Amino acid sequence: GESVGLHLPTLSVQEGDNSIINCAYSNSASDYFIWYKQESGKGPQFIIDIRSNMDKRQGQRVTVLLNKTVKHLSLQIAATQPGDSAVYFCALALGEAAGNKLTFGGGTRVLVKP
Amino acid sequence: EAGVVQSPRYKIIEKKQPVAFWCNPISGHNTLYWYRQNLGQGPELLIRYENEEAVDDSQSPKDRFSAERLKGVDSTLKIQPAELGDSAVYLCASSLTGVGAGAQGTQYFGPGTRLLVL
Repeated sequence: GESVGLHLPTLSVQEGDNSIINCAYSNSASDYFIWYKQESGKGPQFIIDIRSNMDKRQGQRVTVLLNKTVKHLSLQIAATQPGDSAVYFCALALGEAAGNKLTFGGGTRVLVKP
Repeated sequence: EAGVVQSPRYKIIEKKQPVAFWCNPISGHNTLYWYRQNLGQGPELLIRYENEEAVDDSQSPKDRFSAERLKGVDSTLKIQPAELGDSAVYLCASSLTGVGAGAQGTQYFGPGTRLLVL
């Protein structure tokens, strides 16, 4: 079956430094990848997505990198701020044939130290 | 624009009792999802609705979980009877459509209902 995993369950980062969160996946048919941020007591919040025909996409302070060869996805947060403290999930979908059924990874907790 | 609304936010019940959760998706969103999130894990899809039609409930224990989406807007998820292992956060999400990346397919989540079964 499909599996999505994260390398580090907890990431502690100094305020102002860059953060990198990694995610590995097993199904090479995955077509669409999304990063979500979840703060305590709230639902997941969409951050950024990337299609399988791309290897990099940038947003505001965030960059997602996709390496299909090794089935690896990463989220980079520039100049990490206290408000970035949360659990980050990667999720993937198997393309339009599967609708938007998302498979989520287990999450990485990011703690920003002042 | 209002986001996805869920109620109640918290629910504590004894095992074998029934429980129901309500979700109001973002206005205009045709696709609605119910997820279960266990502590420390990512959400798992229970059921997806395209308008009024349920199209994916492969993760739901069919004998105890049921859902409905009358008129293709609000949805209710029911568990009857609840078991200890049902303790989790139940998340509702919605998207404009059920397929595709980008703005149309992006799923927006509500705050969830935290269920504790004693």
